[in-house]
This record gives sequence, structure tokens and C-alpha cells, in this order.
Amino acid sequence: GAVVSQHPSWVICKSGTSVKIECRSLDFQATTMFWYRQFPKQSLMLMATSNEGSKATYEQGVEKDKFLINHASLTLSTLTVTSAHPEDSSFYICSARVDSPYEQHFGPGTRLTVT
Amino acid sequence: AQSVTQLGSHVSVSEGALVLLRCNYSSSVPPYLFWYVQYPNQGLQLLLKYTTGATLVKGINGFEAEFKKSETSFHLTKPSAHMSDAAEYFCAVFTGGGNKLTFGTGTQLKVEL
Repeated sequence: GAVVSQHPSWVICKSGTSVKIECRSLDFQATTMFWYRQFPKQSLMLMATSNEGSKATYEQGVEKDKFLINHASLTLSTLTVTSAHPEDSSFYICSARVDSPYEQHFGPGTRLTVT
Repeated sequence: AQSVTQLGSHVSVSEGALVLLRCNYSSSVPPYLFWYVQYPNQGLQLLLKYTTGATLVKGINGFEAEFKKSETSFHLTKPSAHMSDAAEYFCAVFTGGGNKLTFGTGTQLKVEL
């Protein structure tokens, strides 16, 4: 149980274009989802917390106009990287909160490469 | 503010040897502590967690960790390493006030024949 999927698993896009990443909770409803970014050989950095039906809460230093997060349903949150640049290339991981505040289940991640 | 320190970004052990990955935390309130494992190009998988109760926590794949409040530590151990244990391991802390997980910088475990 508590499976989280991400789509796509990897994507290559050209500089200046936008790309959308989906995060789905497959067998449960998630009122809260999280988006993380991970650079090579580094830890996960929380980008934003996404609550169903409300605006996402972004961490300090994360550009909310560049990383658009939408949590329109209890099973789907999307991250759109707008006007992508090579420095946005990274591994993006989402997670979903299950029953308790501290219990998160992680998706498999999306590798974004901007050329 | 909460923080996590993982000593040793790379640890190498022989197959069958003891695995010890170190994690120290800083938190002004009783923490919830976690160990996750990440295989290449994959998300994180929960190994074990400490919330309350018994301080020695057993997880999947033969791993265990002990919460030591006096040492602010939550080291991860496994008696006998297997080749399949080679991965990146992250320690994380959650406190209610922050309402989020804070991760350590990770330890890459290498298992050699």
C-alpha cells in the first residue's frame, strides 16, 4: 500500500520551454504532497508543500513563479518548471503524506535535463 | 531549528562485515527520526523510523538503529553487509513545529567482495 508514482521518469527539454511533472498517490488519498529537488550526490531539498485545493507553500529561495505547483485533487499534484534553463536540470522527487504528519511515501523521482 | 549530520559521506565495508552509518541530530523538541535508502535514479524507501517507545528500532533488510537521546544520535547498523546493500542512505528528522522532514547529506555505502 501507499504507492506514489511520478510521470515522466525522465525528460529532456530545450531551454526556454516548460515541462510538467505529475505525482500521483495510487492507492490512497493524500491531502498533502511535497516536492523535493536533489542535485547529483547531494541531499534532498524541500521545494514546497502542496495541499489539496489550496496554494502551495514554498520554501525560502524557491521561485514560485518558476516552479508552479498544483494540487487539484487528493491523488494528483503537478510541478511545472516554466522557462526551463540548464541550471534547472535535477532530480525531482515528490512524496505524499499518509496517515500521520511525519509519515511520507516517496515517488521514484523524475530526472529533468534541460539542454 | 532542526538539523541532521551524517558523518562520512562514503563508507566502504566488506561483504559480511558490520555496517555502521552515523547520524546525529539537533532538535529542541523530541524528534521523530528516520533512515531512508536510495538506489540509483530511484526515490527513497523507508528503512526504519523512531517515533516513541523502544529506542532500538528494527527495520527492513536486517537494519536497525538505536535512538540515544544523551548522545543525540540515531546510528544505523546491520550485522552483516550484503552486496545489495550498496546504496545511498539518508537520515532525516521531523519535528512537529517545522512540520517537515529535514534530511542529512547522505552516506554512500559501498560493499566490496
